[in-house]
Amino acid sequence: EAQVTQNPRYLITVTGKKLTVTCSQNMNHEYMSWYRQDPGLGLRQIYYSMNVEVTDKGDVPEGYKVSRKEKRNFPLILESPSPNQTSLYFCASSSPRQGTANTEAFFGQGTRLTVV
Amino acid sequence: ELKVEQNPLFLSMQEGKNYTIYCNYSTTSDRLYWYRQDPGKSLESLFVLLSNGAVKQEGRLMASLDTKARLSTLHITAAVHDLSATYFCAVREGGGADGLTFGKGTHLIIQP
Repeated sequence: EAQVTQNPRYLITVTGKKLTVTCSQNMNHEYMSWYRQDPGLGLRQIYYSMNVEVTDKGDVPEGYKVSRKEKRNFPLILESPSPNQTSLYFCASSSPRQGTANTEAFFGQGTRLTVV
Repeated sequence: ELKVEQNPLFLSMQEGKNYTIYCNYSTTSDRLYWYRQDPGKSLESLFVLLSNGAVKQEGRLMASLDTKARLSTLHITAAVHDLSATYFCAVREGGGADGLTFGKGTHLIIQP
């Protein structure tokens, strides 16, 4: 079954304590990205990766890091979380621009992060 | 910078009625998505629209795309309670990176 898997689903942490949210996809997609969803703001892109070892900033990258050492995994790292990073986070993957067989973007189940 | 605007942001309607959600975007796009999100859940893909004049239908939902007007619509026919959810449109900018820019979403409540 095609899926994007995020872990953990829920996390409460304290300010400044480094954390990582993992994301894995089993569809051999080149493209992966992270979004945060906040009330009244919709989804905003944090970082994206077009392939292994290729990452770039999205619209709201401050306070976040990512890595793409393998095609299937795209972890989101918060080196020093702050309360304004309390949000619902989604990982997504999609087929490459040149592909025509599958144009969908698949989303993970979401990670609800609270930073106190 | 690509901007995506949805209207309305909130809609309460009765079962059996028809209504349309609008999605306007500001620059050239080569791909437009509609998603559904239930409370506490992830985004479920509804439609992907790739070309001008594209129309797709699934049950009581129909989506269309006018690339010249930079407008997509999601039409609900004879609404039923199960369609209550938040609906997002998302646009991929033509010629740019693969990231999606989302509208703020339309929170739809369908009352019996």
